[in-house]
Amino acid sequence: DTEVTQTPKHLVMGMTNKKSLKCEQHMGHRAMYWYKQKAKKPPELMFVYSYEKLSINESVPSRFSPECPNSSLLNLHLHALQPEDSALYLCASSHPLGGEGYTFGSGTRLTVV
Amino acid sequence: KNQVEQSPQSLIILEGKNCTLQCNYTVSPFSNLRWYKQDTGRGPVSLTIMTFSENTKSNGRYTATLDADTKQSSLHITASQLSDSASYICVVSPNYGGATNKLIFGTGTLLAVQP
Repeated sequence: DTEVTQTPKHLVMGMTNKKSLKCEQHMGHRAMYWYKQKAKKPPELMFVYSYEKLSINESVPSRFSPECPNSSLLNLHLHALQPEDSALYLCASSHPLGGEGYTFGSGTRLTVV
Repeated sequence: KNQVEQSPQSLIILEGKNCTLQCNYTVSPFSNLRWYKQDTGRGPVSLTIMTFSENTKSNGRYTATLDADTKQSSLHITASQLSDSASYICVVSPNYGGATNKLIFGTGTLLAVQP
């Protein structure tokens, strides 16, 4: 299995809602990542987990809360988002040293209304 | 400052024609360079990955070249197909020597293949 699976594919949420994005991989990768991508821009790194521990937080607002329950799963909990948070959210995974096998999921298209 | 620049920003070609996309980078030290294809609203899909010691890497109709001395890479697409219409992103991985895999993304080349 060489895929990173993200659910849901599309999500519309209000500014007072709480929702979660999910990411799963079964490639044995021990590094997992969350990216945010706006239209016609490159992906922007949000969080990095290495061996299930948060190793990088790129000064992301606290309304985004990541969680890595085990080596295969990565969640992104969303609360009190703003319309400007609407974007494509990408999950990725890789080997933790050297980034070998860096693989992206197909993304979750998030719209905040 | 570590940067990756791509050219052209956008490109329109006719189906069946070849094209070459360019990538210049200033990342140092350098670990590897990747080319990704990204369809609109989808995640990037890896096309090739090259370390500093590799000069060329092919994947079907896609051939990437790397000149680590001049810090330039190119992606050549032969016999283009309508399905090649996408954004092509050059991504460089710095060699920090640890577990921090912060990729540096180019801004992409938007390719449109017309019938």
